[in-house]
Amino acid sequence: DGGITQSPKYLFRKEGQNVTLSCEQNLNHDAMYWYRQDPGQGLRLIYYSQIVNDFQKGDIAEGYSVSREKKESFPLTVTSAQKNPTAFYLCASSISGGGRPDTQYFGPGTRLTVL
Amino acid sequence: AQTVTQSQPEMSVQEAETVTLSCTYDTSESDYYLFWYKQPPSRQMILVIRQEAYKQQNATENRFSVNFQKAAKSFSLKISDSQLGDAAMYFCAYSPFTGTASKLTFGTGTRLQVTL
Repeated sequence: DGGITQSPKYLFRKEGQNVTLSCEQNLNHDAMYWYRQDPGQGLRLIYYSQIVNDFQKGDIAEGYSVSREKKESFPLTVTSAQKNPTAFYLCASSISGGGRPDTQYFGPGTRLTVL
Repeated sequence: AQTVTQSQPEMSVQEAETVTLSCTYDTSESDYYLFWYKQPPSRQMILVIRQEAYKQQNATENRFSVNFQKAAKSFSLKISDSQLGDAAMYFCAYSPFTGTASKLTFGTGTRLQVTL
């Protein structure tokens, strides 16, 4: 079945540690996105990538980093510079990164808790 | 910057009844897309319906339909014949047509409760 997978489902991190969240898609989509969701808020865009080896900052990129070495994969690293990393993280993808807005399809999410 | 406002934090509907969720947005663009996403307790976001701003006809997907009022910048979601499985958070989202990636701006969501 085609879809988006995120791992792990739950992640715990000590303060001062970097942690990487995985996102993989087999939909052959060009564009991929990372969002953060906090209680009582909608999703906010962290980073997005339109094609391999290219990515752009979203609205809240500080303290995060990404890479896009393969079309299928778009890992997100939460660095120690992120002051309040505890949140629910959602990865999404869409068919193309340009032209008219395409529907984004979401993965199941990763819940990150900083201890 | 574009903003999306959902003024109803929570709504309740009886099974088989109809409910309307409200959404307003602010933009200076003339061409854009609007979306309604559903987030059930599993927390995975699921597309419910989408509307292209250049289309005057309101989008419909089975029991879900929208009332798109471009001049008023309003985009409400109507759920007919509500079912228990419709209980979820519903998010309204906006995406401009900029020729780049489909950057979504989300509202804060409306929690829909469905009662027997």
